[in-house]
Formats: sequence, C-alpha cells, structure tokens
Amino acid sequence: DVKVTQSSRYLVKRTGEKVFLECVQDMDHENMFWYRQDPGLGLRLIYFSYDVKMKEKGDIPEGYSVSREKKERFSLILESASTNQTSMYLCASSLWGTSFTGELFFGEGSRLTVL
Amino acid sequence: SQQGEEDPQALSIQEGENATMNCSYKTSINNLQWYRQNSGRGLVHLILIRSNEREKHSGRLRVTLDTSKKSSSLLITASRAADTASYFCATDAGGWMDSSYKLIFGSGTRLLVRP
Repeated sequence: DVKVTQSSRYLVKRTGEKVFLECVQDMDHENMFWYRQDPGLGLRLIYFSYDVKMKEKGDIPEGYSVSREKKERFSLILESASTNQTSMYLCASSLWGTSFTGELFFGEGSRLTVL
Repeated sequence: SQQGEEDPQALSIQEGENATMNCSYKTSINNLQWYRQNSGRGLVHLILIRSNEREKHSGRLRVTLDTSKKSSSLLITASRAADTASYFCATDAGGWMDSSYKLIFGSGTRLLVRP
C-alpha cells in the first residue's frame, strides 16, 4: 500500500516563527501536493510538484514556499507563521501517469496552531 | 468558486439505512472522485468515475454520474456506524492546457450513522 507520512500530527508555533512541514511518500510517485483544510472552505491547494526541484503554485500560495530536493520528500515552509495559517495541512501524492487529477493518496494531516 | 458542491452538508441516518450524497459541479470534467475523511485524519480515495461512465460500484458504494446535469451521487448501502465520516467529491476542471489541471474539492457531507 502507498504510504504518505507527515512528520508531525500536531504543532503549536508562535507568530513569526519559521515552520517546516515534512511529507514523505514511499511509492515513487512523481506528483506531490500540499493542501490546507479549513471548516466550510474544503481543501485548497497551496503548491504542487511534478518532479524533483519542480514546483507550481496552487490556489493559495501566499505566505508559503515548498521544497522538493528528493522525489519522495515534499516540504511546506511557512517563512513567518501568522495566526491565519492555523489550519489542517494535508500532503498527497499521485502517479505521473494519472496526471494531476488522478487518485490522490493522502497523509494523516498536520494540525498547525499559530499563537 | 468551488467546482464541486456536496449536498446535503450533513446527514444523520440509522445503521442499516442507505445514505445518499450528491455533488454538483460547474464545468466539464474528465473524471470525478469521491473521498472519505474520518475526523481529524487524512482523506482516503473511494472511487473514481470517468466522464464517459454513468455508474460504478465498489462494495457497498454506488456512484452515478450525469454529465448533462453536471452532478454525481454517492450511495452507501446498508450503512454501518463505521461509515461515519465526511465525504468529499473532487473534480478536475479541464485539461493540461488550461489552468484548472488539478483536483478541486467540495466542502463535504458529514455523515453520521447512529448505531
């Protein structure tokens, strides 16, 4: 089975701190995604990557950056955390052959609280 | 604006009953997917139906797609307490050449199955 692992299930950070959210997948998927999920707003795409060192902005990239130095790892970075970035963050991956709109495999999520 | 919108937002049924959730979308699609999310966890892919398909089954799940009405329904038969979760539809909104080459999720239907 595909496994997508997010390094932290729960984080509490202070405003202005730099935050790293790590995601690792073990099935050699080309595509990786970061979403945030907020009540009433569904899932919103922050960034995605279709290859090592490649990244594309999603719908809400402001305040975030990403890094993909290795195929299996996709990191989301909050350079200076703000309270409005308190959210559930979900990482996902998919095969290249399924394009960007094929089946997604999600991690368990990282719930970030910014105080 | 969101591509997929689920209806109802919340549904409460007795164990053993069938649960039906609907999804409406706005633009033409290549495929539509349904995902399940247990509280505080990641999403799990349930089923994908392509635009040239009208119905698909997987165990107790039945998905229909009506492209003329731009709508889909997810039926869970003989529901169990363990089916309690949120259910999301996700659609792609176009092909590689336009800006919508990604999955767009609705806000979900919260299903409660009472024992």
